[in-house]
Amino acid sequence: EDQVTQSPEALRLQEGESSSLNCSYTVSGLRGLFWYRQDPGKGPEFLFTLYSAGEEKEKERLKATLTKKESFLHITAPKPEDSATYLCAVVSGANSKLTFGKGITLSVRP
Amino acid sequence: ETGVTQSPTHLIKTRGQQVTLRCSSQSGHNTVSWYQQALGQGPQFIFQYYREEENGRGNFPPRFSGLQFPNYSSELNVNALELDDSALYLCASSLTDNEQFFGPGTRLTVL
Repeated sequence: EDQVTQSPEALRLQEGESSSLNCSYTVSGLRGLFWYRQDPGKGPEFLFTLYSAGEEKEKERLKATLTKKESFLHITAPKPEDSATYLCAVVSGANSKLTFGKGITLSVRP
Repeated sequence: ETGVTQSPTHLIKTRGQQVTLRCSSQSGHNTVSWYQQALGQGPQFIFQYYREEENGRGNFPPRFSGLQFPNYSSELNVNALELDDSALYLCASSLTDNEQFFGPGTRLTVL
């Protein structure tokens, strides 16, 4: 069974203080790793898909990387509007269901 | 391009009742997946529909059922509601194996 573990559970940063969010996964045949952002009471918003180890993708202050065991979401010089829960999910095997971690709640103070 | 929409936004039911949640997929998407998200948890996969056929199911009892229509919109039905069914229900649409895009969710409260 696929497993996704995200750490830390919560992260508080000062505006401009860069950091990284971790997503560790155990799957049989990774077909894709996804990062989503979720604001309170809303649906997840798609950020990135990574398919193979060594792959990197960037969007504004966010950069996602992938190894064979984990993925990192690097946040450079965060702003208060980056405050949200960040979810990591994997797809593996023959099905296309997303298996999610519990998420990391990021709070950025001005 | 219209995104994924869900209705209703909020719903309050009592134990034992039945509920139907609705989802309109993003234009051009032929696959719809449903997820349950309890407070403080990541979304849990309920099932997926591809071209009106169920295409995978998570660890949910048979009282959770669904439909997909020819226009690719979808319904989630839950019978004999239990208190633990209180959650945010999310619908996601995609084009076959591509990225899944989520709707805003339906918040279900069971009293």
